[in-house]
Amino acid sequence: DAKTTQPPSMDCAEGRAANLPCNHSTISGNEYVYWYRQIHSQGPQYIIHGLKNNETNEMASLIITEDRKSSTLILPHATLRDTAVYYCIVRVRNSGNTPLVFGKGTRLSVIA
Amino acid sequence: DGGITQSPKYLFRKEGQNVTLSCEQNLNHDAMYWYRQDPGQGLRLIYYSQIVNDFQKGDIAEGYSVSREKKESFPLTVTSAQKNPTAFYLCASSNRGGNEKLFFGSGTQLSVL
Repeated sequence: DAKTTQPPSMDCAEGRAANLPCNHSTISGNEYVYWYRQIHSQGPQYIIHGLKNNETNEMASLIITEDRKSSTLILPHATLRDTAVYYCIVRVRNSGNTPLVFGKGTRLSVIA
Repeated sequence: DGGITQSPKYLFRKEGQNVTLSCEQNLNHDAMYWYRQDPGQGLRLIYYSQIVNDFQKGDIAEGYSVSREKKESFPLTVTSAQKNPTAFYLCASSNRGGNEKLFFGSGTQLSVL
């Protein structure tokens, strides 16, 4: 699975958009980008995933660059409850092989 | 409500003692996983099971053991051989092995007395 690089921490004002970057310059053609988040003292929660097209769901939007070497998770109107660690993971979908590997992620602090 | 349940929320272990962490799911998922998380760190894989009566070691299996006798249950035993067991333990499941949409429990915080 391709390696990802995320900033260790970010701040965002409440009500503003939070843009969380992820670099995955060694991604291969059949690898998807997955995002999870972990609120303090809870288990991680799946957010969204994508291959090359931009994706949107009720939680967030995922923007993947045309060369697929980086992506951005967007929380359009961040609230205090969005304070969490956000993990970007790249892997082949339904590979049937080893489970997901979670790095250290980005600690997002939403400030009132 | 479907979900994955871990118990207890907090657990204390004495020196030389084995302790077992419970993980139960009613999502009818085939695959189950155990991760360990240390403060400020990411998740590290201990063991996983893609089907009943089968399981594989993850990256840090030493000092741990598991069983998968039922589809719904995947208990983790932290043995006395695990010299640094204090951590947050997370159980997860997915509807098949290697599936990237994992559902996590709320975790068990294990501390050594």
